[in-house]
Amino acid sequence: EDQVTQSPEALRLQEGESSSLNCSYTVSGLRGLFWYRQDPGKGPEFLFTLYSAGEEKEKERLKATLTKKESFLHITAPKPEDSATYLCAVQTNNDMRFGAGTRLTVKP
Amino acid sequence: ETGVTQTPRHLVMGMTNKKSLKCEQHLGHNAMYWYKQSAKKPLELMFVYSLEERVENNSVPSRFSPECPNSSHLFLHLHTLQPEDSALYLCASSQGRQETQYFGPGTRLLVL
Repeated sequence: EDQVTQSPEALRLQEGESSSLNCSYTVSGLRGLFWYRQDPGKGPEFLFTLYSAGEEKEKERLKATLTKKESFLHITAPKPEDSATYLCAVQTNNDMRFGAGTRLTVKP
Repeated sequence: ETGVTQTPRHLVMGMTNKKSLKCEQHLGHNAMYWYKQSAKKPLELMFVYSLEERVENNSVPSRFSPECPNSSHLFLHLHTLQPEDSALYLCASSQGRQETQYFGPGTRLLVL
């Protein structure tokens, strides 16, 4: 059965303390892996799409990478405004499957 | 309006009420989706419309009924809901079934 697992469930960082979020997946026929950011009470906001192992995408303090089994979202020198829930989703031949998310809190 | 819009943003209803959620996309996409988001759970796909044709998720109770009158509008009709249906309902759209999905702000539903 297709599975997407995100870890950790929650992460608390000090401002400027870099870290990484993990998304591991077991699916048949990966068509793409997506990262979203979701603020409380709002819909997910698209960040990145990765299609093949070795691919990397960057946007400001965020960098997403992909291997054959997992993806990482690296956050460099985070700021309090980076606090949000980060969702990973995997597109297969059949549907889009989401992880439960990592809730990131960045303290000033 | 830009992107994907949803109305209402908040809804409180009794178990015997009938209500509808509305979604409109201004992106020219040809696929639209309804998701349910409960606390600490992954998004659950409820329904998919592609080129106005429904691809139904069989595990969705019949008290939820989708309608897609055209490629820009999507409705979710609610009838005789249960308290466990309280959640954030998200609409999304994409250009093609396997392309990036863009989400609306959601409707926060509370069933009393």
